[in-house]
Amino acid sequence: QSVLTQPPSASGTPGQRVTISCSGSSSNIGNYYVYWYQQFPGTAPKLLIYKNDQRPSGVPDRFSGSQSGTSASLAISGLRSDDEADYYCAAWDDSLSGQWVFGGGTKLTVL
Amino acid sequence: QVQLVQSGAEVKKPGSSVKVSCKTSGGSFGGYSLTWVRQAPGRGLEWMGGVVPALGTTNYAQTFRGRVTITADESTTTVYLELSSLRSADTAVYYCARGTLVQGFVDSAGKSSYYYSMDIWGQGTSVTVSS
Repeated sequence: QSVLTQPPSASGTPGQRVTISCSGSSSNIGNYYVYWYQQFPGTAPKLLIYKNDQRPSGVPDRFSGSQSGTSASLAISGLRSDDEADYYCAAWDDSLSGQWVFGGGTKLTVL
Repeated sequence: QVQLVQSGAEVKKPGSSVKVSCKTSGGSFGGYSLTWVRQAPGRGLEWMGGVVPALGTTNYAQTFRGRVTITADESTTTVYLELSSLRSADTAVYYCARGTLVQGFVDSAGKSSYYYSMDIWGQGTSVTVSS
Protein backbone atom coordinates (compact mmCIF):
# COMPACT_ATOMS: atom_id res chain seq x y z
CA GLN A 1 0.00 0.00 0.00
CA SER A 2 1.50 3.32 -1.10
CA VAL A 3 1.92 6.28 1.26
CA LEU A 4 0.57 8.68 -1.38
CA THR A 5 -2.82 7.91 -2.90
CA GLN A 6 -3.49 8.14 -6.62
CA PRO A 7 -6.39 6.81 -8.67
CA PRO A 8 -5.28 3.61 -10.42
CA SER A 9 -6.58 4.77 -13.77
CA ALA A 10 -7.63 7.83 -15.73
CA SER A 11 -8.74 8.32 -19.29
CA GLY A 12 -9.61 10.96 -21.85
CA THR A 13 -10.01 11.54 -25.54
CA PRO A 14 -7.52 13.39 -27.74
CA GLY A 15 -7.61 17.13 -27.11
CA GLN A 16 -9.26 16.79 -23.70
CA ARG A 17 -7.88 17.94 -20.36
CA VAL A 18 -7.37 15.32 -17.67
CA THR A 19 -6.22 15.62 -14.09
CA ILE A 20 -4.60 13.08 -11.82
CA SER A 21 -4.80 13.57 -8.09
CA CYS A 22 -2.28 12.67 -5.39
CA SER A 23 -3.23 12.71 -1.73
CA GLY A 24 -0.85 12.60 1.21
CA SER A 25 -0.40 14.00 4.71
CA SER A 26 1.39 16.67 6.68
CA SER A 27 4.55 14.56 6.87
CA ASN A 28 4.93 14.62 3.08
CA ILE A 29 2.89 16.73 0.65
CA GLY A 30 1.76 19.09 3.41
CA ASN A 31 5.33 20.28 4.00
CA TYR A 32 7.43 19.17 1.04
CA TYR A 33 7.45 19.62 -2.71
CA VAL A 34 5.64 17.23 -5.02
CA TYR A 35 7.31 15.67 -8.03
CA TRP A 36 5.63 13.90 -10.94
CA TYR A 37 7.10 11.20 -13.17
CA GLN A 38 5.96 9.74 -16.48
CA GLN A 39 6.78 6.13 -17.29
CA PHE A 40 6.20 4.22 -20.51
CA PRO A 41 6.17 0.40 -20.42
CA GLY A 42 9.63 -1.09 -20.18
CA THR A 43 11.37 2.25 -19.71
CA ALA A 44 12.69 4.30 -16.81
CA PRO A 45 10.59 7.03 -15.19
CA LYS A 46 11.10 10.53 -16.54
CA LEU A 47 10.80 13.70 -14.47
CA LEU A 48 7.74 15.62 -15.59
CA ILE A 49 7.11 18.20 -12.84
CA TYR A 50 9.35 19.24 -9.97
CA LYS A 51 8.76 21.42 -6.92
CA ASN A 52 4.96 21.23 -7.32
CA ASP A 53 4.61 23.17 -10.55
CA GLN A 54 7.96 23.53 -12.32
CA ARG A 55 8.63 21.91 -15.69
CA PRO A 56 12.11 20.69 -16.68
CA SER A 57 13.28 21.98 -20.02
CA GLY A 58 11.81 19.95 -22.83
CA VAL A 59 8.54 19.12 -21.06
CA PRO A 60 5.62 20.68 -22.96
CA ASP A 61 3.53 23.30 -21.20
CA ARG A 62 0.53 21.00 -21.72
CA PHE A 63 1.70 19.44 -18.46
CA SER A 64 1.12 21.40 -15.28
CA GLY A 65 1.22 20.67 -11.58
CA SER A 66 -0.38 22.19 -8.51
CA GLN A 67 -0.37 21.59 -4.78
CA SER A 68 -2.72 22.63 -2.00
CA GLY A 69 -2.53 21.47 1.59
CA THR A 70 -1.88 17.74 1.61
CA SER A 71 -2.95 17.12 -1.99
CA ALA A 72 -1.49 17.70 -5.42
CA SER A 73 -2.64 17.37 -9.00
CA LEU A 74 -1.15 16.83 -12.41
CA ALA A 75 -3.08 18.27 -15.33
CA ILE A 76 -2.56 17.35 -18.95
CA SER A 77 -4.26 19.54 -21.52
CA GLY A 78 -4.59 18.92 -25.25
CA LEU A 79 -4.36 15.18 -24.59
CA ARG A 80 -2.41 13.22 -27.19
CA SER A 81 -2.21 9.49 -27.86
CA ASP A 82 1.47 9.46 -26.90
CA ASP A 83 0.59 10.72 -23.42
CA GLU A 84 -0.66 7.23 -22.67
CA ALA A 85 1.63 6.11 -19.84
CA ASP A 86 1.85 5.58 -16.09
CA TYR A 87 2.14 8.67 -13.92
CA TYR A 88 3.59 8.71 -10.41
CA CYS A 89 3.61 11.42 -7.77
CA ALA A 90 6.37 11.56 -5.18
CA ALA A 91 7.22 13.63 -2.13
CA TRP A 92 9.72 13.59 0.69
CA ASP A 93 8.37 12.24 3.96
CA ASP A 94 9.93 13.28 7.26
CA SER A 95 8.56 10.45 9.36
CA LEU A 96 11.27 8.19 10.79
CA SER A 97 14.61 9.38 9.37
CA GLY A 98 13.14 10.72 6.14
CA GLN A 99 12.56 9.07 2.81
CA TRP A 100 10.93 9.56 -0.57
CA VAL A 101 7.42 8.15 -0.86
CA PHE A 102 5.48 7.51 -4.04
CA GLY A 103 1.91 7.17 -5.14
CA GLY A 104 0.83 3.83 -6.52
CA GLY A 105 0.73 5.22 -10.04
CA THR A 106 -2.07 6.15 -12.42
CA LYS A 107 -2.38 4.49 -15.79
CA LEU A 108 -3.58 7.07 -18.29
CA THR A 109 -5.48 5.73 -21.29
CA VAL A 110 -6.15 7.90 -24.32
CA LEU A 111 -9.40 6.63 -25.86
CA GLN B 1 23.57 15.73 -21.31
CA VAL B 2 24.48 13.57 -18.34
CA GLN B 3 23.76 9.86 -18.62
CA LEU B 4 23.50 7.13 -16.03
CA VAL B 5 24.46 3.70 -17.35
CA GLN B 6 23.63 0.70 -15.21
CA SER B 7 25.05 -2.81 -15.16
CA GLY B 8 23.32 -5.77 -16.78
CA ALA B 9 20.61 -8.14 -15.62
CA GLU B 10 21.25 -10.49 -12.72
CA VAL B 11 19.76 -13.81 -11.65
CA LYS B 12 20.38 -14.73 -8.02
CA LYS B 13 19.52 -17.49 -5.58
CA PRO B 14 17.51 -16.76 -2.44
CA GLY B 15 19.77 -15.85 0.45
CA SER B 16 22.55 -14.49 -1.77
CA SER B 17 23.57 -10.89 -2.46
CA VAL B 18 23.57 -8.73 -5.56
CA LYS B 19 25.64 -5.68 -6.43
CA VAL B 20 24.36 -3.34 -9.15
CA SER B 21 26.39 -0.47 -10.57
CA CYS B 22 25.47 2.91 -12.02
CA LYS B 23 28.10 4.91 -13.90
CA THR B 24 27.56 8.61 -14.41
CA SER B 25 29.02 10.47 -17.39
CA GLY B 26 30.88 13.65 -16.76
CA GLY B 27 34.03 14.34 -14.79
CA SER B 28 32.84 14.07 -11.22
CA PHE B 29 29.85 13.57 -9.00
CA GLY B 30 29.74 17.25 -8.17
CA GLY B 31 27.30 18.03 -5.37
CA TYR B 32 24.70 15.63 -6.71
CA SER B 33 23.07 12.74 -4.94
CA LEU B 34 22.65 9.27 -6.38
CA THR B 35 19.52 7.44 -5.35
CA TRP B 36 18.24 3.89 -5.88
CA VAL B 37 14.59 3.13 -6.59
CA ARG B 38 13.14 -0.27 -7.41
CA GLN B 39 10.00 -1.46 -9.19
CA ALA B 40 8.66 -4.97 -8.76
CA PRO B 41 6.85 -6.50 -11.77
CA GLY B 42 3.55 -4.72 -12.33
CA ARG B 43 4.05 -2.60 -9.22
CA GLY B 44 4.90 0.98 -8.33
CA LEU B 45 8.14 2.72 -7.42
CA GLU B 46 9.90 2.18 -4.08
CA TRP B 47 12.74 4.36 -2.78
CA MET B 48 15.61 2.38 -1.29
CA GLY B 49 18.16 5.00 -0.33
CA GLY B 50 20.78 7.36 -1.61
CA VAL B 51 24.28 8.74 -1.26
CA VAL B 52 25.78 12.20 -1.60
CA PRO B 53 29.37 11.34 -2.56
CA ALA B 54 30.72 14.86 -1.98
CA LEU B 55 29.52 14.73 1.63
CA GLY B 56 30.07 11.02 2.19
CA THR B 57 26.54 10.68 3.56
CA THR B 58 23.99 7.94 2.97
CA ASN B 59 20.33 7.54 3.86
CA TYR B 60 18.42 4.29 3.65
CA ALA B 61 14.71 3.50 3.67
CA GLN B 62 13.66 1.87 6.92
CA THR B 63 12.38 -1.13 4.97
CA PHE B 64 15.86 -2.01 3.74
CA ARG B 65 18.02 -1.07 6.73
CA GLY B 66 20.49 -3.81 7.48
CA ARG B 67 20.20 -5.35 4.02
CA VAL B 68 21.24 -2.52 1.73
CA THR B 69 24.54 -0.72 1.21
CA ILE B 70 25.08 2.16 -1.21
CA THR B 71 28.62 3.19 -2.01
CA ALA B 72 30.30 5.58 -4.42
CA ASP B 73 33.63 5.42 -6.24
CA GLU B 74 34.77 8.94 -7.09
CA SER B 75 37.59 7.72 -9.31
CA THR B 76 35.16 6.06 -11.73
CA THR B 77 32.06 8.17 -10.92
CA THR B 78 30.21 4.93 -10.27
CA VAL B 79 27.66 4.25 -7.57
CA TYR B 80 26.84 0.79 -6.29
CA LEU B 81 23.81 -0.79 -4.66
CA GLU B 82 24.36 -3.99 -2.73
CA LEU B 83 21.34 -5.89 -1.43
CA SER B 84 21.82 -8.96 0.74
CA SER B 85 19.67 -11.85 2.00
CA LEU B 86 17.76 -11.83 -1.25
CA ARG B 87 14.26 -13.27 -1.41
CA SER B 88 11.77 -13.67 -4.23
CA ALA B 89 10.08 -10.40 -3.24
CA ASP B 90 13.30 -8.61 -4.24
CA THR B 91 12.71 -9.51 -7.89
CA ALA B 92 12.44 -6.11 -9.52
CA VAL B 93 13.99 -3.57 -11.84
CA TYR B 94 16.42 -1.39 -9.93
CA TYR B 95 16.95 2.20 -11.07
CA CYS B 96 19.55 4.76 -10.09
CA ALA B 97 18.72 8.45 -10.31
CA ARG B 98 20.77 11.62 -9.95
CA GLY B 99 19.43 14.61 -8.12
CA THR B 100 20.14 18.03 -6.70
CA LEU B 101 19.63 19.51 -3.26
CA VAL B 102 15.98 20.37 -2.66
CA GLN B 103 15.63 21.63 0.89
CA GLY B 104 16.25 20.88 4.54
CA PHE B 105 14.02 18.86 6.81
CA VAL B 106 13.77 17.70 10.42
CA ASP B 107 13.12 14.01 10.99
CA SER B 108 11.00 12.41 13.71
CA ALA B 109 14.00 12.34 16.07
CA GLY B 110 14.54 16.08 15.69
CA LYS B 111 17.62 15.71 13.54
CA SER B 112 18.14 18.25 10.76
CA SER B 113 19.26 17.12 7.35
CA TYR B 114 18.73 17.70 3.65
CA TYR B 115 17.06 15.77 0.88
CA TYR B 116 17.77 15.54 -2.81
CA SER B 117 15.64 15.17 -5.92
CA MET B 118 15.55 12.34 -8.47
CA ASP B 119 15.92 14.08 -11.81
CA ILE B 120 17.84 11.91 -14.28
CA TRP B 121 17.38 8.15 -14.27
CA GLY B 122 19.41 5.21 -15.45
CA GLN B 123 17.96 2.62 -17.78
CA GLY B 124 17.28 0.10 -15.02
CA THR B 125 18.75 -3.27 -14.05
CA SER B 126 16.59 -6.37 -13.79
CA VAL B 127 17.29 -8.55 -10.77
CA THR B 128 15.55 -11.92 -10.59
CA VAL B 129 15.68 -13.96 -7.40
CA SER B 130 14.78 -17.57 -8.00
CA SER B 131 15.85 -20.97 -6.79
